[in-house]
Amino acid sequence: SAVISQKPSRDICQRGTSLTIQCQVDSQVTMMFWYRQQPGQSLTLIATANQGSEATYESGFVIDKFPISRPNLTFSTLTVSNMSPEDSSIYLCSVGGTAPDYGYTFGSGTRLTVV
Amino acid sequence: AQSVTQLGSHVSVSEGALVLLRCNYSSSVPPYLFWYVQYPNQGLQLLLKYTTGATLVKGINGFEAEFKKSETSFHLTKPSAHMSDAAEYFCAVERGGYQKVTFGTGTKLQVIP
Repeated sequence: SAVISQKPSRDICQRGTSLTIQCQVDSQVTMMFWYRQQPGQSLTLIATANQGSEATYESGFVIDKFPISRPNLTFSTLTVSNMSPEDSSIYLCSVGGTAPDYGYTFGSGTRLTVV
Repeated sequence: AQSVTQLGSHVSVSEGALVLLRCNYSSSVPPYLFWYVQYPNQGLQLLLKYTTGATLVKGINGFEAEFKKSETSFHLTKPSAHMSDAAEYFCAVERGGYQKVTFGTGTKLQVIP
């Protein structure tokens, strides 16, 4: 299965600023996924990032707040813009697998605290 | 639409006892089902998955789960709990092959010495 390097692992940011999270995959993948895990909660899909096209956002998430880049098949970034304390969460990137080794691999996550 | 329900946000078991974490799903098409584990301050690790074929699937660390279509369940079990099993466990469902995964709310497993 793929190996994902995600950084930064954690950050403390001032409200009103932006943070860009990076995910590097050790193999080429078509789709990458970005999730948010708010404190004590489950994972919520933010968007799906396809190389060469605009990301597809889930209900409740917008591009202005969470712009995503996908410049090639091994890399993606998620920016959390104009941050507020409500954005304090763990953000994770993920890639799917292919048959028969089917499953999802997650990055180790970025723990964001907005003060 | 698809959804996942995990019964019990917290489960406590004694070391050496049976672990049973419950998961029920709903899906309009045959689902792919997953269990993930999250240790403190870490990302998610895939424990096991069901896609097609044998309904009893075995995963890492001695865990297994059985897909029961008639009950729309995918409960996670382990015969004997170990202290290192203390973590949060997430059940997840995907519409087969569409790669959009829905997660349950998670169950925190506590193992008592």
